[in-house]
Amino acid sequence: KQEVTQIPAALSVPEGENLVLNCSFTDSAIYNLQWFRQDPGKGLTSLLLIQSSQREQTSGRLNASLDKSSGRSTLYIAASQPGDSATYLCAVVDDYKLSFGAGTTVTVRA
Amino acid sequence: EAGVVQSPRYKIIEKKQPVAFWCNPISGHNTLYWYLQNLGQGPELLIRYENEEAVDDSQLPKDRFSAERLKGVDSTLKIQPAELGDSAVYLCASSLEGRGMDEQFFGPGTRLTVL
Repeated sequence: KQEVTQIPAALSVPEGENLVLNCSFTDSAIYNLQWFRQDPGKGLTSLLLIQSSQREQTSGRLNASLDKSSGRSTLYIAASQPGDSATYLCAVVDDYKLSFGAGTTVTVRA
Repeated sequence: EAGVVQSPRYKIIEKKQPVAFWCNPISGHNTLYWYLQNLGQGPELLIRYENEEAVDDSQLPKDRFSAERLKGVDSTLKIQPAELGDSAVYLCASSLEGRGMDEQFFGPGTRLTVL
């Protein structure tokens, strides 16, 4: 069974600092990996999708890397802003379903 | 383009009562998913539909949970009877196809509280 781990569980940084969020998974036979953002009391917003054949994906201030062989992905958020405060979840697709980590809750202090 | 729509957004019921959640996926999306999210955890898949067919319901507690997706569009998830442990957020998601390579889009969820 796929196990997805996100460390740390919570992170607090001053505004302007770059954020580095980690995700690890136990079974490298994945189709893709998705990063999501979840605001309190809200659903999940898709941020980036990395196909298994890709090494990284970028969107604006966000960059996600994928190393299948080591079972790791990293989400980088450049020049963090208070509006980036949320919980970030990574999820891997294998056998047609998403397996989620528990998320990293980020607080960006103004 | 409208996103995934879910209703109700919040539901409070007494234990042993029935409850139903409704989901309307993004237009043209053939695959629909229901997830359960407990506080502080990531969502867990309950059931996946390809058009009208439930192709993965291995995680659905079939003694009290049921789901349907009539005409391959809207879907309803039902719990009968509800238990205290069912308090959670129920999320619906859809994707264009279900081959595992497509991005999944989520609705806002229904927060269920069972008293």
